[in-house]
Amino acid sequence: DIQMTQSPSSLSASVGDRVTITCQASQDINNFLNWYQQKPGKAPKLLIYDASNLETGVPSRFSGRGSGTDFTFTISSLQPEDIATYYCQQYDILPPTFGQGTKLEIK
Amino acid sequence: EVQMVESGGGLVKPGGSLRLSCVASGFTFTNAWLSWVRQGPGKGLEWVGRIKSKSEGGTTDYAAPVKGRFTISRDDSKNTLYLQMNSLKTEDTAVYYCTTGRRGSRIDYWGQGILVTVSS
Repeated sequence: DIQMTQSPSSLSASVGDRVTITCQASQDINNFLNWYQQKPGKAPKLLIYDASNLETGVPSRFSGRGSGTDFTFTISSLQPEDIATYYCQQYDILPPTFGQGTKLEIK
Repeated sequence: EVQMVESGGGLVKPGGSLRLSCVASGFTFTNAWLSWVRQGPGKGLEWVGRIKSKSEGGTTDYAAPVKGRFTISRDDSKNTLYLQMNSLKTEDTAVYYCTTGRRGSRIDYWGQGILVTVSS
């Protein structure tokens, strides 16, 4: 199985800060990577698909980039409603696998 | 608007069986690849398995921990996805989500999730 190493596992930042999360795949996954946001008690919500495409309706402060094995997810200006856990997921090779998640908190 | 609504969860004893259902709307169900993803209490997300559209063979694939115990099926006439879970173990305790995507294996949409608890 492809291992998705996501870091950091937790992050504390202030409103307005730029926040970056990284995800490294154990082998080349081309650009077949999603980023999700999950709030407590809720289903994950797609934010970024195919590594860098912003899902319809998602604020433009969210962005993603990368290809191959190294990917980044960025929130350009952190807002209070962005408090959540974020996951990357590869869907190039079966089984689809997820990063372990990054819990984002407000400082 | 895509909607996916799971049902059938609950408490079951180890070794028991349970069948989850997921009724979907807002997209062309017959063309969709459908997956189940689970999340154990306080844990991350784990892909369980998927079923392709009938036009692409309707074949299924499973994660190693559930292969041989779980079966995914679909009824396109009812826009419904199923997950038959047999020989349940305590480690199968999780919220189970039905999911689909706009292309292949990609997961774009999620149901609200249903809790399955395996305990004596």
